[in-house]
Amino acid sequence: SQTIHQWPATLVQPVGSPLSLECTVEGTSNPNLYWYRQAAGRGLQLLFYSVGIGQISSEVPQNLSASRPQDRQFILSSKKLLLSDSGFYLCAWSHTDLPQHFGDGTRLSIL
Amino acid sequence: LAKTTQPISMDSYEGQEVNITCSHNNIATNDYITWYQQFPSQGPRFIIQGYKTKVTNEVASLFIPADRKSSTLSLPRVSLSDTAVYYCLVDPQDNYGQNFVFGPGTRLSVLP
Repeated sequence: SQTIHQWPATLVQPVGSPLSLECTVEGTSNPNLYWYRQAAGRGLQLLFYSVGIGQISSEVPQNLSASRPQDRQFILSSKKLLLSDSGFYLCAWSHTDLPQHFGDGTRLSIL
Repeated sequence: LAKTTQPISMDSYEGQEVNITCSHNNIATNDYITWYQQFPSQGPRFIIQGYKTKVTNEVASLFIPADRKSSTLSLPRVSLSDTAVYYCLVDPQDNYGQNFVFGPGTRLSVLP
């Protein structure tokens, strides 16, 4: 069966520091991969999606970037974090014509 | 993109059946309707998906009328552990899911 892993579960970072969140999927190949951000009490906002290695599409302009160095690895990064980057970050995978499946998320707090 | 509208919150008691209705007036021919459940500090979990009429699985039923402009998620005999936020999405499955739009969802509170 397929599984998705995100780490770390929680992260506290100072303003201006770099960020790297990692997501890996097991048990499938060539998945579509997604990064979402969720503000407290709100719905999910799609940040990036990828349909293959090295292929990244961004949905909103922001201080973040994403990379897909391997088929089942998706990384969310920032060179300098802002206070507004705080939130709950979720990675998801899918295959075309199938529902998305989410990881358990990373809660990021910026101080 | 088809926008969805669902109640912000609902209360129920243990053992009752809960029905959450979602409106999606602009649903397109290729769109599926998908429901997710989310607990605090966890990612959304897929519950059920349908295109028309009725779909049932081990945890829920989904009712979709002929015009497909709304759908109803039915949770039989809820328990305290069903307290969560439930999201209704219109899923254009002829793309890569990049047009998923998660609204604020319905916060279901199950009381003892």
